[in-house]
Amino acid sequence: GQNIDQPTEMTATEGAIVQINCTYQTSGFNGLFWYQQHAGEAPTFLSYNVLDGLEEKGRFSSFLSRSKGYSYLLLKELQMKDSASYLCAVMDSNYQLIWGAGTKLIIKP
Amino acid sequence: GAVVSQHPSRVICKSGTSVKIECRSLDFQATTMFWYRQFPKQSLMLMATSNEGSKATYEQGVEKDKFLINHASLTLSTLTVTSAHPEDSSFYICSARGEGSISYRPPYEQYFGPGTRLTVT
Repeated sequence: GQNIDQPTEMTATEGAIVQINCTYQTSGFNGLFWYQQHAGEAPTFLSYNVLDGLEEKGRFSSFLSRSKGYSYLLLKELQMKDSASYLCAVMDSNYQLIWGAGTKLIIKP
Repeated sequence: GAVVSQHPSRVICKSGTSVKIECRSLDFQATTMFWYRQFPKQSLMLMATSNEGSKATYEQGVEKDKFLINHASLTLSTLTVTSAHPEDSSFYICSARGEGSISYRPPYEQYFGPGTRLTVT
């Protein structure tokens, strides 16, 4: 079956760095997405990885290892507004998104 | 580019009535649209996938006679919740995908609407 695992909840301090991990087993792979979702809102696109390595975009970076079925989202210089759920999603061989359950990130002052 | 709208953003209806939610792609042609449901503190759950001009494909466990999907054009899909009950109260989100990809964006990316909060009393 298809499975995506990520931690349910994480807590970090404002100004610090946090890494949210995601492991996956899917039928086919056409890229991995990270989305941010604030409560009551739709997901917003953060990053996309299809090749191994690190993609950096401002305070956010995303890493992928296809051989290990592993990705992480790295958030630097955390701000209170980064408090949200972070969703990992893999595009399978049918170009459908398989979703993880999401990681709720709590930022403390 | 790649803007998707949903209407209404919030709706309250009485048990037994039907509610229609519209999803529109504003600046691109959406050959495929997806309907998701999200309960509090849970992740997105795909309900169905619709292609323009053909019948929707429903995920296992989703009643097609209860959740009617019509993808009548390349810019509009509608979800009708028929005979709604309180357990149908949820956050409904649509997404749209066009052919190929938009420059500098991932291929086959889904663009999300802002969601519709449905409350059935």
